[in-house]
Amino acid sequence: DAGVIQSPRHEVTEMGQEVTLRCKPISGHNSLFWYRQTMMRGLELLIYFNNNVPIDDSGMPEDRFSAKMPNASFSTLKIQPSEPRDSAVYFCASSLYSLGTSGNTIYFGEGSWLTVV
Amino acid sequence: GENVEQHPSTLSVQEGDSAVIKCTYSDSASNYFPWYKQELGKRPQLIIDIRSNVGEKKDQRIAVTLNKTAKHFSLHITETQPEDSAVYFCAAVNTGFQKLVFGTGTRLLVSP
Repeated sequence: DAGVIQSPRHEVTEMGQEVTLRCKPISGHNSLFWYRQTMMRGLELLIYFNNNVPIDDSGMPEDRFSAKMPNASFSTLKIQPSEPRDSAVYFCASSLYSLGTSGNTIYFGEGSWLTVV
Repeated sequence: GENVEQHPSTLSVQEGDSAVIKCTYSDSASNYFPWYKQELGKRPQLIIDIRSNVGEKKDQRIAVTLNKTAKHFSLHITETQPEDSAVYFCAAVNTGFQKLVFGTGTRLLVSP
């Protein structure tokens, strides 16, 4: 299995531009998570999906952020318009439902390193 | 919601010493506690986990202990090696809600 695949790996964009991050979860996994990592705030859960349905988006910082999961093998996280404070590493992760049972755990992608200038 | 606190934020040890990282959680319903290691520029990767019906789990040089009453759990690394240097994250989740909350991380530095 190729693991969780994210793109782009690195992106530098100008303030005000739209940013779209993409994720392909591990085949067969039915839970998908978007995390943001910064030095100041650590690993923050932004949103997670079960069976393509958003379950908890309470971590999404503001309306500029949106996430979709149109099918079981693809998700996007969009920032529009982007701001310098959005600069961070964005990790996508996936798991089988439910966490902690029968050895199920969460697997991270390589991350998308976003810099907004 | 769940809140996880982790200490210390940085830990420096000599090669061969033991290292202990401690976490506390707030939600008594949390029942799964994984630990992740993140090397510089890499993704977090699972190193060990424990469920609430178990008090201790070992895997070679690493072990995790859980005290449900006190709501805290710890990672123990024995005979540390330079390649153990990384950031370690604890996490807690109520598996009924599938929401994994991470601690703030501990930067471990093992000096030769």
